[in-house]
Amino acid sequence: EVQLVESGGGLVQPGGSLRLSCAVSGFTVSNSFMSWVRQAPGKGLEWVSVIYSGGVTYYADSVKGRFTVSRDNSKNTMYLQMNSLRAEDTALYYCAVDGGGDWGQGTMVTVSS
Amino acid sequence: EAVLTQSPGTLSLSPGERATLSCRASQSVLKNYLAWYQQKPGQAPRLLIYAASNRATGIPDRFSGSGSGTDFTLTISRLEPEDFAVYYCQQYGNSRNTFGQGTKLEIK
Repeated sequence: EVQLVESGGGLVQPGGSLRLSCAVSGFTVSNSFMSWVRQAPGKGLEWVSVIYSGGVTYYADSVKGRFTVSRDNSKNTMYLQMNSLRAEDTALYYCAVDGGGDWGQGTMVTVSS
Repeated sequence: EAVLTQSPGTLSLSPGERATLSCRASQSVLKNYLAWYQQKPGQAPRLLIYAASNRATGIPDRFSGSGSGTDFTLTISRLEPEDFAVYYCQQYGNSRNTFGQGTKLEIK
């Protein structure tokens, strides 16, 4: 059974950092295109980043230079390192197979003083 | 990056009616890699259609997708009560994916 489980969210002050994790079972992260997608409260879906099977990464302009996506093949886990957090980064963060049907349930990030 | 514009913003219909949702891209979607998702409150998005016209596993055949290039359509042939939700299109052919702003399908 395919499962994606996000963790690492929480309350952080503006300018702070968080690292989100996406633990995957049922398929191999390193063979897949994996994305992070976020949804601010009451708003629509916003694509954040992708990591391709070959390791190439891309980012939305809104997070470029502040967020870094990576993976640990031995743990079959993807990460999102978020630095210089802003209030507008407050959202529910999902990990998902890029363009696919497998999504986690999300982890909430709140940036507030 | 490709900007996706969905219309209408809100669609008010009754169960049993046909729903037609539109997604227009600012540039051609590579390989027609266009997906449709359904989202209900408190739930993660659910994939309905991938590559413009392919139904995802377990999706009822009342859902269909069509289109190519820059114009795409999601059609729900006969609305069931559980179909009232928010629908998003997403292009994933470009290295920078994008989502449309969503169409809310509400009960009339």
